[in-house]
Amino acid sequence: AQSVAQPEDQVNVAEGNPLTVKCTYSVSGNPYLFWYVQYPNRGLQFLLKYITGDNLVKGSYGFEAEFNKSQTSFHLKKPSALVSDSALYFCAVSAAYSGAGSYQLTFGKGTKLSVIP
Amino acid sequence: KAGVTQTPRYLIKTRGQQVTLSCSPISGHRSVSWYQQTPGQGLQFLFEYFSETQRNKGNFPGRFSGRQFSNSRSEMNVSTLELGDSALYLCASSLDRGPYGYTFGSGTRLTVV
Repeated sequence: AQSVAQPEDQVNVAEGNPLTVKCTYSVSGNPYLFWYVQYPNRGLQFLLKYITGDNLVKGSYGFEAEFNKSQTSFHLKKPSALVSDSALYFCAVSAAYSGAGSYQLTFGKGTKLSVIP
Repeated sequence: KAGVTQTPRYLIKTRGQQVTLSCSPISGHRSVSWYQQTPGQGLQFLFEYFSETQRNKGNFPGRFSGRQFSNSRSEMNVSTLELGDSALYLCASSLDRGPYGYTFGSGTRLTVV
């Protein structure tokens, strides 16, 4: 079974400060890891993904995430937060695709990010 | 290009009724997956369809069903609605199987009264 933990329900950060949203995962074999953002009454918007390769992944809107296999973590980071970054952030994991089997995403519970002006 | 289109956006139904939700994927995408989002359970996988065949199903009762048409459009149906079925239902499409190319729609908000 695969699982994702986002240990913080809410993260508050001042505008202009760096932000980190934490995520740890559990999956059999190699993971595919994702971050999505959700604004009120909207669907999920893709931010970035780790499939293979460099452990530091750069995504949309200045976000990045670092894959750490030994700590089974995939924390989301941004050097300077904007008020418009305030939203709900989801980390998700899937087993690496091998041509058969199931590849659905398992999501964390989400972390509400509030950027204070 | 057009994104993933889900209709209707909002729906109110009475307990015991049934409901059908629709998802039109991005042109050329062959895989459609459905997820349920509730405050209590979060985001949970419902089904995956690829080339008109259900490839994978989540842990939901048989009241939840779906299908995919030859043009890749998908529908999901919930029969005998319960209050707990109130949720945001999200559809995601991708070119092939696997979630690494997902694009999500804006969802259908179902309220059961």
